[in-house]
Amino acid sequence: KAGVTQTPRYLIKTRGQQVTLSCSPISGHRSVSWYQQTPGQGLQFLFEYFSETQRNKGNFPGRFSGRQFSNSRSEMNVSTLELGDSALYLCASSQDREQFFGPGTRLTVL
Amino acid sequence: GIQVEQSPPDLILQEGANSTLRCNFSDSVNNLQWFHQNPWGQLINLFYIPSGTKQNGRLSATTVATERYSLLYISSSQTTDSGVYFCAVEQTGNQFYFGTGTSLTVIP
Repeated sequence: KAGVTQTPRYLIKTRGQQVTLSCSPISGHRSVSWYQQTPGQGLQFLFEYFSETQRNKGNFPGRFSGRQFSNSRSEMNVSTLELGDSALYLCASSQDREQFFGPGTRLTVL
Repeated sequence: GIQVEQSPPDLILQEGANSTLRCNFSDSVNNLQWFHQNPWGQLINLFYIPSGTKQNGRLSATTVATERYSLLYISSSQTTDSGVYFCAVEQTGNQFYFGTGTSLTVIP
């Protein structure tokens, strides 16, 4: 089976712009979770989607949003980018409880 | 949320040495996983181990859920083992809490 894929792998944006990241889970996995990794805060949970519904949400501002499509692919959107949004964004998919991570999208905000 | 502490934060080993990484967590959990983050940032699954002991080659892990800790053993370390090792725990809802990681450097 193919692993979790994320696009794009690298992204450079400027403050105030918005960005959309994409994640395709492992075939058959219906749960997709998103995490942000920064040197200062480590790995932090953003949100989790299952069957197109957000089931759980971390402690991030409303500028961070996501959605899941009927084929389980997920997107996350960050609006009005700030310098502090520069991070590695990781997506994970799961079928039961074990999570499998994609390679990440490295976002730089200038 | 649940607190996850990993120790040591940094570890430098000579190739061939053995090591033990520890993960303590502050509350009962339904899930615990160990990951190795490669230099490009990807988290590689090592073990899914909410309880008990598992082995995979030179790596093994033990979780004692009742005492709220897990151990990752690396034997006969190789330079390719270098990187950051994360422990992550989940209570409910597929929300993982990650430790701050152990940065391992294996020198030839």
